[in-house]
Amino acid sequence: DGGITQSPKYLFRKEGQNVTLSCEQNLNHDAMYWYRQDPGQGLRLIYYSQIVNDFQKGDIAEGYSVSREKKESFPLTVTSAQKNPTAFYLCASSIRTVNEQFFGPGTRLTVL
Amino acid sequence: AQSVTQPDIHITVSEGASLELRCNYSYGATPYLFWYVQSPGQGLQLLLKYFSGDTLVQGIKGFEAEFKRSQSSFNLRKPSVHWSDAAEYFCAVGAIQAGTALIFGKGTTLSVSS
Repeated sequence: DGGITQSPKYLFRKEGQNVTLSCEQNLNHDAMYWYRQDPGQGLRLIYYSQIVNDFQKGDIAEGYSVSREKKESFPLTVTSAQKNPTAFYLCASSIRTVNEQFFGPGTRLTVL
Repeated sequence: AQSVTQPDIHITVSEGASLELRCNYSYGATPYLFWYVQSPGQGLQLLLKYFSGDTLVQGIKGFEAEFKRSQSSFNLRKPSVHWSDAAEYFCAVGAIQAGTALIFGKGTTLSVSS
């Protein structure tokens, strides 16, 4: 089945630790995205990538980093510089940025 | 700059009643428009999309939406709501030129009463 996988579904980390969230797609999509979701705030774009080895900052990139070494993979690292990292993180992909996005099931990160 | 507004944060509808969720956008040219649905703790699922052509688009789960250029709106409708429709709904707008990600509204939470 084609789709987007995010792992793990729940992640717990201590304050001050970096943590990497996984996102893999087998849809052969060029574009991939990371969103953060907090109650009442909708989806806020963290980073997106239109092609391998290229990515752009979204609205709330501070404290996050990404890489796009393979078309299928777009991991997100939440660094210790992110002041409020506890949130629900969604990964998505699309054929191109103008097309509809397909979403993964999300990872809920809790920083203790 | 593009923007999307969903004026209603929370709507409650009786089961079997009709539903309309509002979405207004700001964009200089004809945008690409989308509606998504999200159940608690899940990812988003595409309900329908508008790129061009017929301004009334049909989607999954019995939903439809109408693009009204004069009102800069893309409202989502369903003639008869089921309890399973309770979820959060997001409207999104995309630019025709490639290179910019979709802009999402803040969402409308739908509750269904029996």
